Amino acid sequence: EIVLTQSPATLSLSPGERATLSCRASQSVGRFLGWYQQKPGQAPRLLIYDVFHRASGIPTRFSGSGSGTDFTLTISSLEPEDFAVYYCQQRTNWPWTTFGGGTKVEIK
Amino acid sequence: EGQLVETGGGLIQPGGSLRLSCAASGFTVSSNYMNWVRQAPGKGLEWVSVIYGDDYTLYADSVKGRFTISRDSVENTLYLQMNRLRVEDTAVYFCVREEGYFRLWGRGTLVTVSS
Repeated sequence: EIVLTQSPATLSLSPGERATLSCRASQSVGRFLGWYQQKPGQAPRLLIYDVFHRASGIPTRFSGSGSGTDFTLTISSLEPEDFAVYYCQQRTNWPWTTFGGGTKVEIK
Repeated sequence: EGQLVETGGGLIQPGGSLRLSCAASGFTVSSNYMNWVRQAPGKGLEWVSVIYGDDYTLYADSVKGRFTISRDSVENTLYLQMNRLRVEDTAVYFCVREEGYFRLWGRGTLVTVSS
């Protein structure tokens, strides 16, 4: 099983600041890495797929990068609605899939 | 785009059984890859099962042999039959339509396994 490790567990930032979230895989996942946002009491929402492609309706302040085992989700300037938990997901051994443990972006 | 609505959650004793339903609208479940994903209280996301193609099915090791995923094309509904439930199965269960990635989610239904 491919294990995804996200860091940090919690990121405390102010609106307008840049957020950088990390996801590291226990083995290469190629380009098959996605990111989800989850707000309290809601289902997750797909933000990024295949490392850097934004899903439909996702603002351009969200961007993804990386390759192989190390990936990054960047939020260029945090809006109030961006404070949430973010999960990475690998699809390299589809249809099996695993998620990372999540990073909580909280208001400082 | 479609909508998914899960029902069937509730409080159940360890060892009991429960069947979750996920009613789809705006698309047909039989033509899509459909998954169940769960989230224990305060925890992360865990993939549970998928059904695709000619009803091929796969399960996470944690539920294999206890849970069964199925779908009904007439009712346009996805199911998850959960048997021999354990305390650690307590979670919100989400029904998800997959298109490479998990693009359409239901709101989830809470299953609590407790004596």
